[in-house]
Amino acid sequence: DAGITQSPRHKVTETGTPVTLRCHQTENHRYMYWYRQDPGHGLRLIHYSYGVKDTDKGEVSDGYSVSRSKTEDFLLTLESATSSQTSVYFCAISRDTQNTEAFFGQGTRLTVV
Amino acid sequence: SQQGEEDPQALSIQEGENATMNCSYKTSINNLQWYRQNSGRGLVHLILIRSNEREKHSGRLRVTLDTSKKSSSLLITASRAADTASYFCATDEYGNKLVFGAGTILRVKS
Repeated sequence: DAGITQSPRHKVTETGTPVTLRCHQTENHRYMYWYRQDPGHGLRLIHYSYGVKDTDKGEVSDGYSVSRSKTEDFLLTLESATSSQTSVYFCAISRDTQNTEAFFGQGTRLTVV
Repeated sequence: SQQGEEDPQALSIQEGENATMNCSYKTSINNLQWYRQNSGRGLVHLILIRSNEREKHSGRLRVTLDTSKKSSSLLITASRAADTASYFCATDEYGNKLVFGAGTILRVKS
């Protein structure tokens, strides 16, 4: 299995609080992605990174920020959590986007109450 | 939405039958990939097909790509109960972004 871990695996938080999810990889892959998965929507891209300190927005980036200060870690922050951000969050890594597969973490189930 | 579309949304078949899922995308691509997700787990890569390829096989999986129609299909032959999962296609049609479709839920009844 690819070396990718997400933490925490489960979290319950209150509306308005900040939340940070961590994705850690040991594969030295250049690309890292954060997705959210909701029923009926499949996986939607939140943010992605193509190198240290190089990030860009995905389709559903509002309310989320990311940081990548080193190759192995990609952090997703909800500055002020809302109930609409209750979801399952997946991190993925890939060597490049041209002809290689992506590897996924096990997911973080976040509940905002 | 940047997401491609997949159909059907759900598919229920008997063990031993073939299952076909379709994926459409919106712009040009370098490659298209298919992934499987078992309930509550992360996605697992199944197969990648490049834009200059028309068909690819891997075990019981057969993938076709029609770039003129911007569509792909995934065929699983002789399905098994263990094939029960959600299946997603993904493309690089927006450059560095890896964009997924909404997925097809496959149920194989034994």
